[in-house]
Amino acid sequence: DAGVTQSPTHLIKTRGQHVTLRCSPISGHKSVSWYQQVLGQGPQFIFQYYEKEERGRGNFPDRFSARQFPNYSSELNVNALLLGDSALYLCASSLEVGQETQYFGPGTRLLVL
Amino acid sequence: GQQLNQSPQSMFIQEGEDVSMNCTSSSIFNTWLWYKQDPGEGPVLLIALYKAGELTSNGRLTAQFGITRKDSFLNISASIPSDVGIYFCAGANSNSGYALNFGKGTSLLVTP
Repeated sequence: DAGVTQSPTHLIKTRGQHVTLRCSPISGHKSVSWYQQVLGQGPQFIFQYYEKEERGRGNFPDRFSARQFPNYSSELNVNALLLGDSALYLCASSLEVGQETQYFGPGTRLLVL
Repeated sequence: GQQLNQSPQSMFIQEGEDVSMNCTSSSIFNTWLWYKQDPGEGPVLLIALYKAGELTSNGRLTAQFGITRKDSFLNISASIPSDVGIYFCAGANSNSGYALNFGKGTSLLVTP
């Protein structure tokens, strides 16, 4: 069975631009969470979505937004990119919201110049 | 998010040695998870713990959920070169909507 998939794998943007990252959860999983991982740190929680609704939000500015589609896939959008947004963006899926066991995708490596 | 303290920061051991790492928190968690991450990859789930005092094994890996619910440890027995990577602990509870709070990781190097 396919695991969590993310696209693109790598991305280079310049400051001020906008980026959209995509995630498809494990088949049968209904909840998707997004995390940001900067070099040398553990992942930091950004959003959790379940049944197309936001169920949790971490300490990130409003430039970060996300949505979930009827097929449970998800997009993470970041506007007005800053140099500090350079990171590995990870998507994780779980069966339900409140299901703590989360499975991660390979991530999208974003570099902002 | 809640701060997790993971130690040691790094370990350099010989193949065949046993490894122990731990994670502590100032907050109580309902769940402790241990992940391994290789360079450029996403974290891979190793062990999930759901009950205080629980001891769970996965092959050469053993992890325990601390009685106080504020700590967890991971042991790796008879290490091999493919154990190289960064090991992360993560805690979750209903107060945080089950968002995972991660430690900063333990970097493990194994020499043949």
